[in-house]
Amino acid sequence: DTEVTQTPKHLVMGMTNKKSLKCEQHMGHRAMYWYKQKAKKPPELMFVYSYEKLSINESVPSRFSPECPNSSLLNLHLHALQPEDSALYLCASSQVGLQNTEAFFGQGTRLTVV
Amino acid sequence: DQQVKQNSPSLSVQEGRISILNCDYTNSMFDYFLWYKKYPAEGPTFLISISSIKDKNEDGRFTVFLNKSAKHLSLHIVPSQPGDSAVYFCAASAGADGLTFGKGTHLIIQP
Repeated sequence: DTEVTQTPKHLVMGMTNKKSLKCEQHMGHRAMYWYKQKAKKPPELMFVYSYEKLSINESVPSRFSPECPNSSLLNLHLHALQPEDSALYLCASSQVGLQNTEAFFGQGTRLTVV
Repeated sequence: DQQVKQNSPSLSVQEGRISILNCDYTNSMFDYFLWYKKYPAEGPTFLISISSIKDKNEDGRFTVFLNKSAKHLSLHIVPSQPGDSAVYFCAASAGADGLTFGKGTHLIIQP
């Protein structure tokens, strides 16, 4: 199983809503990532979890709150988002500290903030 | 400052011919490089990778070449097929600190 599964595939939320994006992998990867991708631009790294601990936060606003409850799951909690936060949110996973480590991406959650 | 550069925003190649996509980088700490293919409204699909200890990696129709002294890598697709039309991103990493992407090259395969 070389899949990274993201749910939901699409999400529309209001600016006062609270929602969560979920990401799951069963490849034994201990590094998991959240990326944000705007149209016609490469994905931008948001957060990195390594061994279930937050290792990188790329100055992301606090309205985005990541959580890694176990080695297979990665959540992104959303609250009070702005319309400019509408984007494709990608989750990825990889092994840690090994050469020849590929990152596998999920298909993304297309988020629209209205 | 862009650490990974793909200087060609688009490339048009005839079906059956060779497609060559190029990527330059500036960070000498990068030790692993990847190419991703992306269709609209979908997440990137990993295509092929190469470690800095190698200069070539081949997988079917796809070959990636790495020139460390020039800090340059390229992706060759032979022969090009209509389904190869997509945006191709070059990405690089140093350890497990996430990926740095180029801006992508839109490959168009013409019949």
